Amino acid sequence: DQQVKQNSPSLSVQEGRISILNCDYTNSMFDYFLWYKKYPAEGPTFLISISSIKDKNEDGRFTVFLNKSAKHLSLHIVPSQPGDSAVYFCAASGIGSGAGSYQLTFGKGTKLSVIP
Amino acid sequence: DAGITQSPRHKVTETGTPVTLRCHQTENHRYMYWYRQDPGHGLRLIHYSYGVKDTDKGEVSDGYSVSRSKTEDFLLTLESATSSQTSVYFCAISAMGSEAFFGQGTRLTVV
Repeated sequence: DQQVKQNSPSLSVQEGRISILNCDYTNSMFDYFLWYKKYPAEGPTFLISISSIKDKNEDGRFTVFLNKSAKHLSLHIVPSQPGDSAVYFCAASGIGSGAGSYQLTFGKGTKLSVIP
Repeated sequence: DAGITQSPRHKVTETGTPVTLRCHQTENHRYMYWYRQDPGHGLRLIHYSYGVKDTDKGEVSDGYSVSRSKTEDFLLTLESATSSQTSVYFCAISAMGSEAFFGQGTRLTVV
C-alpha cells in the first residue's frame, strides 16, 4: 500500500509560469516532509522540507505548502526555469522513538518539463 | 556535495553470482540507507542502518543483506543476483531527524 502518492507522472509548464507539484500521504504518523529533485544519471538532491508544525516553508523560488487535515502537500516553483526540468520526488518521515521513524518513504515522482 | 561515495558506479554481473555494493561517507552521519530506483516505483528502501552493526529491513529487503562494521561504510550484498535486481541503487546518509543526502548511484545489470 503506497503511503506517499504523487498522482501526476508528468507536468509541462511554460518558462516563467508557476509549476505546482502535488503529493498526498496516508500515514498520519508522518511529521516531516521533503522534496527532492533528480536529474538523469545523478542522485536525488534535497530541495526543501517542511515540518508538520508549519503550513508553509519558502526558499527562494520554491515554496512547500502542507495541509495536514487533507494529508496533502504541494511544491510551488515560481518562476519556472528550463533548468528546473527534472523528476521531483516527495518524501515523508515520522517521529517516534524507533530508529525506523527516520527512514524516508518516497512517492513515485513527477517529471517536470519547463518549456522555453 | 555531501561526502558520499558509491562504488562501483556501474556493474554487469551474471545471474547467480554474488555482488557487493559499497557506500562510503565522510560526514560521520549516524543513519545510512540503501534505496533502489525502478521505473514506475520511485525510490524504495532496501535496508537501513542506525549505527555500527545496527541494521534493519526496509520495504524491499528480500534477496539483500547489509553490513556496517564502521561508521563510514555500509555494504549492500546480493547473495545470488537475479534479473529482478537489475536497478539503480542509491546510498543515502542523514543525521538524526534531518534530510538525507544521496550518493551518485550504482547502475547494476544482472544478465
